[in-house]
Amino acid sequence: DGGITQSPKYLFRKEGQNVTLSCEQNLNHDAMYWYRQDPGQGLRLIYYSQIVNDFQKGDIAEGYSVSREKKESFPLTVTSAQKNPTAFYLCASSNPPGGANQPQHFGDGTRLSIL
Amino acid sequence: GQNIDQPTEMTATEGAIVQINCTYQTSGFNGLFWYQQHAGEAPTFLSYNVLDGLEEKGRFSSFLSRSKGYSYLLLKELQMKDSASYLCAVRDQSNKLIFGAGTRLAVHP
Repeated sequence: DGGITQSPKYLFRKEGQNVTLSCEQNLNHDAMYWYRQDPGQGLRLIYYSQIVNDFQKGDIAEGYSVSREKKESFPLTVTSAQKNPTAFYLCASSNPPGGANQPQHFGDGTRLSIL
Repeated sequence: GQNIDQPTEMTATEGAIVQINCTYQTSGFNGLFWYQQHAGEAPTFLSYNVLDGLEEKGRFSSFLSRSKGYSYLLLKELQMKDSASYLCAVRDQSNKLIFGAGTRLAVHP
């Protein structure tokens, strides 16, 4: 079945540690996205990539980094510079909009907490 | 700035109809999406509107008025499994999705 796989489901980070969240999709989508979700708030865009080897900062990119070396993979690294990393992280993918309905499809998320 | 407003919480009775409103102010408009999200799970796509009017899909319908910056999601014949958060999202002129904070719907017997 086609879909988006995020791993791990739960992740704990120690002070000063970088951690990487995995996102893989087999939907053959060109565009991929990372969002952060905090209680009582909407999804906020961290980074997005519309094509392999290219990505752009979203609204809250500070303390995060990404890479897009393969079409199907878009890992997110939460660096030690991100002082408040505890949140639910969602990865999504879509085909670029072309005047048609192109919804983003989401993975099941990774819940990150600080130890 | 960009802003999407929707009620924080709503309650409704099983078998009833509920309407969840969404108003938006964004940099450009390239369509409006509704997603359903159960607690701790991924959002799932419900509906898409880009032209004014009503889109019906089974028990769910979504309405859009671009001149008013307004949409609503209508859920009919409510079931207990419809208890979830409903997210309104607008695709802006740079084709990014801007999400509202979501409306938490509780359906009770």
